[in-house]
Amino acid sequence: EVQLVESGGGLVQPGGSLRLSCAASGFTFSDHYMDWVRQAPGKGLEWVGRTRNKANSYTTEYAASVKGRFTISRDDSKNSLYLQMNSLKTEDTAVYYCAIETAATFAYWGQGTLVTVSS
Amino acid sequence: QSALTQPASVSGSPGQSITISCTGTSSDVGSYNLVSWYQHHPGKAPKLMIYEGSKRPSGVSNRFSGSKSGNTASLTISGLQAEDEADYYCCSYAGSSTFDVLFGGGTKLTVL
Repeated sequence: EVQLVESGGGLVQPGGSLRLSCAASGFTFSDHYMDWVRQAPGKGLEWVGRTRNKANSYTTEYAASVKGRFTISRDDSKNSLYLQMNSLKTEDTAVYYCAIETAATFAYWGQGTLVTVSS
Repeated sequence: QSALTQPASVSGSPGQSITISCTGTSSDVGSYNLVSWYQHHPGKAPKLMIYEGSKRPSGVSNRFSGSKSGNTASLTISGLQAEDEADYYCCSYAGSSTFDVLFGGGTKLTVL
């Protein structure tokens, strides 16, 4: 059974940093592109970014709203995905989901972890 | 790039059919057969219902169907059931210039 479990969310002040993790199991993690998607309170889903697999050189892409502030990485030996968030803004407050991506389709999602940016 | 456009809400009675539209542009929905639809019950993980415009993943009821015409994709749910009440999001690839993925704003389905 595919499982994705996010962790690391919490309360952080504007300008601060936070690192989210996503533990994966039940599938061959190293074969897949992995993404982060977020949902701000009362809002819709927003794609944050992706990391490709080793075969595609672990390249990354980001939404314009987070580019330069967020970094996605992965550790295939630990079946884990990470999201390093720096220079956080109040508008980054959201539930953050990790998801398996194939051709812009998200077949499996985690339950999400809440990040609150507030003073 | 702007989000895809969906109606904020739709409703229907049990047994009826409803259709949710998702309008993009010729740069995203209109150019690629990579539209997907997700069902999201608050507090739970989103669930893939339709991919590549009209394909259903294993385990998804055949009451759910997808289609596309021009820059607009649609999700139809037939034989509405109470458990279909949820938020629904469309999603599209936005092209190789940015490799972005766009989501719609979401549609709240109410089963009356």
